[in-house]
Formats: sequence, C-alpha cells, structure tokens
Amino acid sequence: SQQGEEDPQALSIQEGENATMNCSYKTSINNLQWYRQNSGRGLVHLILIRSNEREKHSGRLRVTLDTSKKSSSLLITASRAADTASYFCATDAYGSARQLTFGSGTQLTVLP
Amino acid sequence: GAGVSQSPRYKVTKRGQDVTLRCDPISSHATLYWYQQALGQGPEFLTYFNYEAQPDKSGLPSDRFSAERPEGSISTLTIQRTEQRDSAMYRCASSLAGVGETQYFGPGTRLLVL
Repeated sequence: SQQGEEDPQALSIQEGENATMNCSYKTSINNLQWYRQNSGRGLVHLILIRSNEREKHSGRLRVTLDTSKKSSSLLITASRAADTASYFCATDAYGSARQLTFGSGTQLTVLP
Repeated sequence: GAGVSQSPRYKVTKRGQDVTLRCDPISSHATLYWYQQALGQGPEFLTYFNYEAQPDKSGLPSDRFSAERPEGSISTLTIQRTEQRDSAMYRCASSLAGVGETQYFGPGTRLLVL
C-alpha cells in the first residue's frame, strides 16, 4: 500500500517558473527521499532529508520536512522543459525493514 | 558496475508461463530490493536482500513470486504461472547498507502477460 500522498497529482507550468510539490505520509520516518521518473526511464534519486533535518538544498531543488505535520515539499526553481517528469516522495519508515514506501507521484509538465 | 542494471528490459509472456527477471546491483552494495510498479503508481516493495540473506518477503503478493541472491550479488525474481495481473514494471534497487541509505534504481523490466 502507498503511504505517501503527493499533491497535486498533476502540475503544468511555464519554463522559468517555480514548481512546488507536496507529500504527506502516515507513520514516523527515518528519512524521506524524492525521486524523479522520466517517461520510459528509471527512477533517479534527487535528494534525501533525514527526520532531524528541516530543510535541504541541492542545486535548483529545495526540500522541506515537517515531521509534526508528517509532510514534505519539493521546490524546483527556474524550471526547465527537461524537468518534465513524475516526482515521487518515498519514506523509510522508522523501525521498518529498510524498504521505501512511495506515494503515487506528481506529474510535472514544464512548457517551453 | 557503474549503476544498477536489469534484464530483460521488456518481457512479453503468455498467461501460465514462468518468467525470471535479473538484477545486477552496484558492485559495492550489500542491500538489494525488488519493487513492483503499476502504471500511474509509485513502486511497491516486494522483498529485499542483505547480501544473500532475505530477511523480508512480506511484499511478495503470492507464493508464485520468489527471489534469490545466492552469492550476494546478482539477484533473480521469478514469477511462476504468470497471470495478467502480474503485468507491471519490476524495479530493482541497491544501497550500500543500513537503514536510511539512498537506494539507486535500475531501469526496470516491463512485464506484459497476455
């Protein structure tokens, strides 16, 4: 079963705009990861944020984590057409046997 | 290797046939995972290995599904007597070790059961 829920399910923006995707989850976690999946390709790891961290940056990506609300957000700044993909959050639940539990994803379309 | 590889990339089979999917993880990685991904959904956990040990099979949907990693490196996922509902993308991932490590995914095997 899917633990995470991404919001929105689909997002369409113009190139150069910022894109924000949200993720909510249900149980306590060790960490939360964001992945990107391009059409027909594998899952690419973007960023990992640990449960004791509140914000993390990587290039044009900014991730926040609010463990009290069991939610995370992914911000992509200055979006490009190449950012068009599905974005998934995945949680590594506290006490779990290490597997990741994924949400159902946000489909981002960046229009040139 | 440089990344996780999987073969075949595509597999079409008839209902009732057995299929075996292969995963070659990153060479230094102790832990290997199998996931099943339905169209439009995120991956769902099937099973994982820590070297050759298989501590968790809880995600395998039925006893028709089995996985092996006999020498702690390459792994196979076998589906016996395939059914149409088994059609999905099967993804393999590997990580160095330990809880909280980044999992690196292979390109997946797209299985279609007719």
